[in-house]
Amino acid sequence: DAEITQSPRHKITETGRQVTLACHQTWNHNNMFWYRQDLGHGLRLIHYSYGVQDTNKGEVSDGYSVSRSNTEDLPLTLESAASSQTSVYFCASSGGLASSTQYFGPGTRLTVL
Amino acid sequence: AQTVTQSQPEMSVQEAETVTLSCTYDTSENNYYLFWYKQPPSRQMILVIRQEAYKQQNATENRFSVNFQKAAKSFSLKISDSQLGDTAMYFCAFMPVTNAGKSTFGDGTTLTVKP
Repeated sequence: DAEITQSPRHKITETGRQVTLACHQTWNHNNMFWYRQDLGHGLRLIHYSYGVQDTNKGEVSDGYSVSRSNTEDLPLTLESAASSQTSVYFCASSGGLASSTQYFGPGTRLTVL
Repeated sequence: AQTVTQSQPEMSVQEAETVTLSCTYDTSENNYYLFWYKQPPSRQMILVIRQEAYKQQNATENRFSVNFQKAAKSFSLKISDSQLGDTAMYFCAFMPVTNAGKSTFGDGTTLTVKP
């Protein structure tokens, strides 16, 4: 079955370190998204991509970057981790129109000490 | 900018009863989608139901239905015959058809189904 996976599921890092969170989907979807979810709140969009070599900034993109070299993967990089980036990160993908139903990965809990 | 408001941070319902979760939104877009997602303690985001704004008919998925009032910018979720497995946080989400980058989620409603 097609799926979307994220790794690692849990990560603890220190302030100032570079961190990369992986997202891999086997749906063959063109559209991929990264969100963060802070405790007690909904999801906020960090970056998104409509296809290979395409990336766009979302609402809360400062301090994050993505690259899309193939259809299946959209890694999220925190260039210099900050305590304010402690959160749960969700990757999602959608086919067809970018605004069609998004399918979410299981999330990565990141703690920055 | 779009906003999505879920005015009920927490709700509870007895098993087998019906409960309605509220969601209002604000946008200048005319074409958009609205979603309800369920997030159980496992943290997985699960699509419950989706509504296209151009459709007047309210979406229904088994025990889940919506009351979509476009003019009032209201999109409530009704859960009938509540089950213990419905216990979760529920998020309302808005997405313009032409710009997924403007997707907006509400802060969620925590629903507890009591036996």
